[in-house]
Amino acid sequence: GAGVSQSPRYKVAKRGQDVALRCDPISGHVSLFWYQQALGQGPEFLTYFQNEAQLDKSGLPSDRFFAERPEGSVSTLKIQRTQQEDSAVYLCASSPEEDYQETQYFGPGTRLLVL
Amino acid sequence: QQQVKQSPQSLIVQKGGIPIINCAYENTAFDYFPWYQQFPGKGPALLIAIRPDVSEKKEGRFTISFNKSAKQFSLHIMDSQPGDSATYFCAAKDQTGANNLFFGTGTRLTVIP
Repeated sequence: GAGVSQSPRYKVAKRGQDVALRCDPISGHVSLFWYQQALGQGPEFLTYFQNEAQLDKSGLPSDRFFAERPEGSVSTLKIQRTQQEDSAVYLCASSPEEDYQETQYFGPGTRLLVL
Repeated sequence: QQQVKQSPQSLIVQKGGIPIINCAYENTAFDYFPWYQQFPGKGPALLIAIRPDVSEKKEGRFTISFNKSAKQFSLHIMDSQPGDSATYFCAAKDQTGANNLFFGTGTRLTVIP
């Protein structure tokens, strides 16, 4: 079966531009996570959805970051007025469980470069 | 602050060797400890995981050793192969708190043929 897919795989943006990153989770997965992975670092949590509800957005670094999952499947992470420090790989993960979400399946990520 | 500390940052072993990667944590509420393997250009993939009620778990060539009192856990790769060359991340999760995984900073493993 298909895994988690993300698009675009690569995005180059000029500083100040808005970007939108898409995540297609595994069909039927209730939980969806966004992580940010800086070069040479481990993934860091950004936000979590259970179905269409955004239950935790404590990891979003600023109010320029916004995520949505309006129909409980596809999710979009939007970054407004991009800054150079936003350059990173953005990973999406989904999990079939409502509770615990132990088994998280990751997509390949979107590599964002802000010039 | 880094919730899970991982070492070493990089590791080079000969084929057949047994690389060992170590992680430590402080939060005693953590009760699920997975290891992820990541190849360049790919997302992390779950390799093996352990809960604190056991001290060791083995799956194929991969073994996790867990020391609850020391709040440390490690990954051992038996009979390592060049195909094992990747970056390995330890992680931890608190079942009753945050929903997300807390990752270590990663270990880049190179297995020389």
